[in-house]
Amino acid sequence: AQTVTQSQPEMSVQEAETVTLSCTYDTSENNYYLFWYKQPPSRQMILVIRQEAYKQQNATENRFSVNFQKAAKSFSLKISDSQLGDTAMYFCAYTTDSWGKLQFGAGTQVVVTP
Amino acid sequence: NAGVMQNPRHLVRRRGQEARLRCSPMKGHSHVYWYRQLPEEGLKFMVYLQKENIIDESGMPKERFSAEFPKEGPSILRIQQVVRGDSAAYFCASSPPGQAKETQYFGPGTRLLVL
Repeated sequence: AQTVTQSQPEMSVQEAETVTLSCTYDTSENNYYLFWYKQPPSRQMILVIRQEAYKQQNATENRFSVNFQKAAKSFSLKISDSQLGDTAMYFCAYTTDSWGKLQFGAGTQVVVTP
Repeated sequence: NAGVMQNPRHLVRRRGQEARLRCSPMKGHSHVYWYRQLPEEGLKFMVYLQKENIIDESGMPKERFSAEFPKEGPSILRIQQVVRGDSAAYFCASSPPGQAKETQYFGPGTRLLVL
């Protein structure tokens, strides 16, 4: 079975500090996409960042960046200069199917404190 | 361009009743996905549809659940004879033709509470 593991149920970080969320996945496919989604208290699912597995360069989006280690099947998310609005549940996900069925991890709750 | 629309946002049903959840994908999107999020869990894939076709329903319970995406109108997720275990948030996502693997846009979800 293909799975996504997020080993940190909750992380706390102070404003302006940096936090790194871990994610490992298990797939035998070679071509796939990896994602981090954010779910704030409103419960809306918001795409944070996306990585194509065949690209070696790590994706970045403003204060968000990933460390993609394909051989280790690891896809961690770094949030730099944390802001109060970053408080949310963060889900790691991937898809290997040509039509995009997403497999999600259980999530990591990030709490940013003043 | 409006985002993915879902209604109702909140739905309360008593055990044994039917629940109908609607999803209007973004304009120009032909792929629709339904996911379920149980309390304190991540999202789980239920079904993938294109216009008038169910492509993959491997994540959908075999009984009481059905989905459709007609030629005209929104996609419907229907749950018959609801039970308390059906209480969850149901999310719809859509993607444009040719980009299904790359990006899915999520709706705000429908919170179903079964009493």
